[in-house]
Amino acid sequence: KAGVTQTPRYLIKTRGQQVTLSCSPISGHRSVSWYQQTPGQGLQFLFEYFSETQRNKGNFPGRFSGRQFSNSRSEMNVSTLELGDSALYLCASSSTGGSDGYTFGSGTRLTVV
Amino acid sequence: AQSVAQPEDQVNVAEGNPLTVKCTYSVSGNPYLFWYVQYPNRGLQFLLKYITGDNLVKGSYGFEAEFNKSQTSFHLKKPSALVSDSALYFCAVRDIGDRKLIWGLGTSLAVNP
Repeated sequence: KAGVTQTPRYLIKTRGQQVTLSCSPISGHRSVSWYQQTPGQGLQFLFEYFSETQRNKGNFPGRFSGRQFSNSRSEMNVSTLELGDSALYLCASSSTGGSDGYTFGSGTRLTVV
Repeated sequence: AQSVAQPEDQVNVAEGNPLTVKCTYSVSGNPYLFWYVQYPNRGLQFLLKYITGDNLVKGSYGFEAEFNKSQTSFHLKKPSALVSDSALYFCAVRDIGDRKLIWGLGTSLAVNP
């Protein structure tokens, strides 16, 4: 079956702009989590959605938001981009909310210039 | 507070030798423990998990990990390393009563031919 699909793979944006990243989970998976990965901070949890509801949120400013659609696809949005937002953004899906592990997408590499 | 420590930023081993990547954790309840591997510019791939049961867990690609409750450790091991095992390895923990995964900062494994 198809894996977790993240689009686009690469993005270059200018400071102050906004960006939307997309994640299509494995078919049948209802839980989608988002992470920010940077060399200095490692993997930082952004939020988790389950059946269109956000049920967990990490410690990121309100510029970071997300949503999940009825088909379980998820988007995350970052407004007013800052240089420090440059990172690899990873999406992970799970059928059980994580107790069986997560399947990750290949990520979106965001560069803010 | 929950936390995960991977005390070694980098581990170097010769091909054919056994390898160990260390992980210690702190959670308030019973832990779910995971190991993931990340190859350059890719998402994370699930290796193995401990939920309950046998303390020695076998996973993908010949990897195994030993859960030690008294030492709060979950070290990743492989009897004979391959050059293709060279990658970034992440340990993660989840409290049984929570859904957020807490991640270590990763250990870079280099297997030399």
